[in-house]
Amino acid sequence: DQQVKQNSPSLSVQEGRISILNCDYTNSMFDYFLWYKKYPAEGPTFLISISSIKDKNEDGRFTVFLNKSAKHLSLHIVPSQPGDSAVYFCAASLLQGAQKLVFGQGTRLTINP
Amino acid sequence: KAGVTQTPRYLIKTRGQQVTLSCSPISGHRSVSWYQQTPGQGLQFLFEYFSETQRNKGNFPGRFSGRQFSNSRSEMNVSTLELGDSALYLCASSLQTGPVYNEQFFGPGTRLTVL
Repeated sequence: DQQVKQNSPSLSVQEGRISILNCDYTNSMFDYFLWYKKYPAEGPTFLISISSIKDKNEDGRFTVFLNKSAKHLSLHIVPSQPGDSAVYFCAASLLQGAQKLVFGQGTRLTINP
Repeated sequence: KAGVTQTPRYLIKTRGQQVTLSCSPISGHRSVSWYQQTPGQGLQFLFEYFSETQRNKGNFPGRFSGRQFSNSRSEMNVSTLELGDSALYLCASSLQTGPVYNEQFFGPGTRLTVL
């Protein structure tokens, strides 16, 4: 039962262009969504989050969009930089048991010079 | 401020053995969560401890257990190891000052290999 899905295992983008990573979820009770970035041999690092009462949240080059009716969220990175090459995980949390995160399978982003 | 630390970083065990992994959270953080990462299943929640009490539990067999000490340090134990337990085990800590979600900070993980 994969409640959070990232259907693209990998994505390749040219440096300077926009990277768009997508995530779908099935549980309408999720009310908080996060994106984490992971480099090899390191733990995931928090990037950006969004509450279900919002549809957009921006932080520098990173913007997360939430479409609750479609149960879909996306992460936009503009402009993409070589240091953005990593695995990106989408995660969701319920208000109850809030510290329990449900993760997607991850998308490996490669930024090409 | 020091981040989340996990020991050991790498571990090799054989089937049937048991293993204990340790996690020291960021100073002041009272919530510690454990996750298992495998290529097939991705990142899966194991359990969360807060103030020495298990507050949430994922869908793992009873062979997986944990505890938290009064200084918020946490250990997880896996008994009767199986080949499928080979994974990266990640610990995350958070302040958890209220009922809503608090950002979790992850450690580097312990890579467990079961032979």
